[in-house]
Order: sequence, then C-alpha cells, then structure tokens
Amino acid sequence: AQSVTQLGSHVSVSEGALVLLRCNYSSSVPPYLFWYVQYPNQGLQLLLKYTSAATLVKGINGFEAEFKKSETSFHLTKPSAHMSDAAEYFCAVRKYGNKLVFGAGTILRVKS
Amino acid sequence: GAGVSQSPRYKVAKRGQDVALRCDPISGHVSLFWYQQALGQGPEFLTYFQNEAQLDKSGLPSDRFFAERPEGSVSTLKIQRTQQEDSAVYLCASSSRDRAEETQYFGPGTRLLVL
Repeated sequence: AQSVTQLGSHVSVSEGALVLLRCNYSSSVPPYLFWYVQYPNQGLQLLLKYTSAATLVKGINGFEAEFKKSETSFHLTKPSAHMSDAAEYFCAVRKYGNKLVFGAGTILRVKS
Repeated sequence: GAGVSQSPRYKVAKRGQDVALRCDPISGHVSLFWYQQALGQGPEFLTYFQNEAQLDKSGLPSDRFFAERPEGSVSTLKIQRTQQEDSAVYLCASSSRDRAEETQYFGPGTRLLVL
C-alpha cells in the first residue's frame, strides 16, 4: 500500500535561507510522486512531479525535488526563500486507480 | 484558460439538511476526482469518475454521500442529512487523461460548515 509521511508540520525559515521540506513514501511499486502548494482559501497547485524519468525534478517558483529510491524520499528544496513562499505544502503519491494519497502537510513560514 | 471551478465557495447547513456541491472541470478532461479536506489535514480521496462512469467510490464515508457526472463533464457531490463531522473543504480535481502520471488540477474548493 502506498502512503506518505511529511516530517514537520511547521517549518520556519528566514527570507533568503534554504527551504527543505521532507517527504518519505512507502510504495510496493515504483511510485509517481507529487508536490502541491496550497495558499489560504485556495485549491492545490502543482509544484512538480516525479514520473520515473529524471530523479532530480525541477518545478515552478524555483522549487526542486530529488527522488531517492534507497531512502524512499522525495524532499522539496528551494535555495532561497521568498516571503511569497509562505503557504502549506503537500506531498502525494499516486495510488492504484489514479487517486492521490496526501501527506498531512507542512506549513512554511518565512521570516523577514 | 479556465481552470476547475466549484460552487458554492462557502455553504452553511443546519444538521440534517441536504447539500449539493458542484464541480466544473477543465473542458475536455476525462478524469474527475473528489477529495475531502478536514481542518489541518491533507485531502482524502472520496470518489473518481472516468467520463460519466464512477470507477471508484471507496472513499465515500457513508451512504449519505453520493456523486454523479451524468454527461461526463459537470459533477455534483450530494450529502444527505448532513452531520457536524461532514464539515470540511470539498475539493474537486480533473485530469486530461486517465493515466497515472497525469497532473490533477484542483478547484478552489467548497467550504462546508454544518451547524
């Protein structure tokens, strides 16, 4: 069965600092993995996805994630945080039947 | 182009009342999904359509929940005899093809509050 664990429900970084949001998955088959961002009172927007091509995936707004099979991880990073990055981030794995299974989410706070 | 739209954006219902939530997917998208997002949690799958066929309804929490997509475009999620535990944001998503790597595009959600 596929599932997702996001370590840290809240992460706080200073503006300009590295952003690292952690995601570990469990899957019995090669997974399809996604990172979504959710701003207050809005739906989810796709940041990036891993579909078994390149292990380093680049997304929108300067975010990227690296698929590491040996660590069953798909951590999200951004070299330099911006105030506009403050939001909630969800990692998800595609389950059989194409439904998404989401982690509990990580709220990113960016301090000026 | 137009994204996924949902209506109403907010709904307040009295316990026991029936509600209907509408989703307009991106035009031409084959797959449509409904998710429920409780406060402070990630979205959880409710049901899935491929065109007009409901292929998976394993996430519907009870027989009070019913979804349809009769013409393979607009979908309605209906909740009968609402309970307080039904309070959540209901998200609709669509994707262009029925393939695992396809991106699901989400609507803004309907926030349901049951009093």
